[in-house]
Amino acid sequence: NAGVTQTPKFQVLKTGQSMTLQCAQDMNHNSMYWYRQDPGMGLRLIYYSASEGTTDKGEVPNGYNVSRLNKREFSLRLESAAPSQTSVYFCASLSGTSRGEKLFFGSGTQLSVL
Amino acid sequence: AQSVAQPEDQVNVAEGNPLTVKCTYSVSGNPYLFWYVQYPNRGLQFLLKYITGDNLVKGSYGFEAEFNKSQTSFHLKKPSALVSDSALYFCAVRPPDGSGNTGKLIFGQGTTLQVKP
Repeated sequence: NAGVTQTPKFQVLKTGQSMTLQCAQDMNHNSMYWYRQDPGMGLRLIYYSASEGTTDKGEVPNGYNVSRLNKREFSLRLESAAPSQTSVYFCASLSGTSRGEKLFFGSGTQLSVL
Repeated sequence: AQSVAQPEDQVNVAEGNPLTVKCTYSVSGNPYLFWYVQYPNRGLQFLLKYITGDNLVKGSYGFEAEFNKSQTSFHLKKPSALVSDSALYFCAVRPPDGSGNTGKLIFGQGTTLQVKP
């Protein structure tokens, strides 16, 4: 049981380049999330998908797009990368309902934009 | 604005001593509160949560946390620290906004716990 799998683990981009971060979960969870982690700022929600076919903005959506390809996969796209997007990106999926919920995280993608 | 604060960037404790990692929150209503741990080069892992009921909740790896509504705090504790507990700890809150989306957590900035032998 792999849990939440993210690719790639590391990426270096030049300003203006585009890329897609891939995420897949094998736990049959309905909801999936993309967070970014920056030093001293904790994790901030970029986008989320409450269920297959739906996506919504989180706290910091500017410069990103997402696709919920199917129940398993939720990708994050940077159309024109900027240095401010240098960060560690985590995908997560949610198990359970309100009383039993918890997030399962992938191992992260470290992105540097030069 | 809703927020979570972890006032200490780093906590240092000797192995075998008790540890406390502090967390305060500012959320209207009765929030759901969580602690997650991040080991180096890994994603976050769930430790424990408070929904309702007993103010002292127990979680993984011997950790526990005490909910204090009057002080709006949810401090993480462990009676006897281990070197292997050294990691980055995040407090998080889910506001009771009734939206039904339970993964929209607000995270604190994280506290690095260093346990020395």
